[in-house]
Amino acid sequence: NAGVTQTPKFQVLKTGQSMTLQCAQDMNHEYMSWYRQDPGMGLRLIHYSVGAGITDQGEVPNGYNVSRSTTEDFPLRLLSAAPSQTSVYFCASARLVSYNEQFFGPGTRLTVL
Amino acid sequence: KQEVTQIPAALSVPEGENLVLNCSFTDSAIYNLQWFRQDPGKGLTSLLLIQSSQREQTSGRLNASLDKSSGRSTLYIAASQPGDSATYLCAVAFVTSYDKVIFGPGTSLSVIP
Repeated sequence: NAGVTQTPKFQVLKTGQSMTLQCAQDMNHEYMSWYRQDPGMGLRLIHYSVGAGITDQGEVPNGYNVSRSTTEDFPLRLLSAAPSQTSVYFCASARLVSYNEQFFGPGTRLTVL
Repeated sequence: KQEVTQIPAALSVPEGENLVLNCSFTDSAIYNLQWFRQDPGKGLTSLLLIQSSQREQTSGRLNASLDKSSGRSTLYIAASQPGDSATYLCAVAFVTSYDKVIFGPGTSLSVIP
C-alpha cells in the first residue's frame, strides 16, 4: 500500500493563479481531510469528507474548494491564490475519524508570490 | 470553544533522560486522542492512538496516558535518544465535533548527545 500520497511536493504560484493539490489514498478510508500548517498556528482543518459525494468545511475554508467523487481521491482547489495561502498543506485519511487513526501524506509546500 | 494546548513549547534534554510531554484539552467528552511525531520538513507520523475508553497505550519506549476527567494526556519517552528529536503533536477528536480533529501546537524536542 502507498498510503496517502500528495502531489506536487513543491509549488510556486503568482497571486491570482489557480491550482489543484492532489491527494489520494489506497486504504479504502471513508474519511479524508485537508490541513494547512503555518508557523505558530499549528495544523488547521480546511475541508473534510466523510465519504464520496460528501464534503464539509473546517476551520479555515475560505479560498479553497474540494470535491470527493471517489473514495480514493480528495483534491483541494485554490481558486485565486493569495500570499496568505503560502503554507504547507497536508492531506489525511482515516477509516472512521472518531475511532481510528489518521494517516497523513508527506505534504505540499506552496508559496504564493 | 474546544482547544488543545501543549506545554512546554520546546524542550531540550540530554541523551538518556526520561521525559514527559503534556497535552491538555478543554472538553472531557472525547472519542480519542492521537500523538504524532513530525520531523523538520516532513509529514506527520502516528505514534499512539488512545481511545476514550482506554487509560494508556504503549509502543516500545513510548507510553501515552489519558485522563479525561482532568482533560490531560501525557506522552512518556523513556531513555531518550538523539533520534527522538522532533516536534510532537497531539490531536483530539471531540464527541460534539468528532469529524473535525483539533491539533495542539506541538512540543519541539531536542535530545542532546
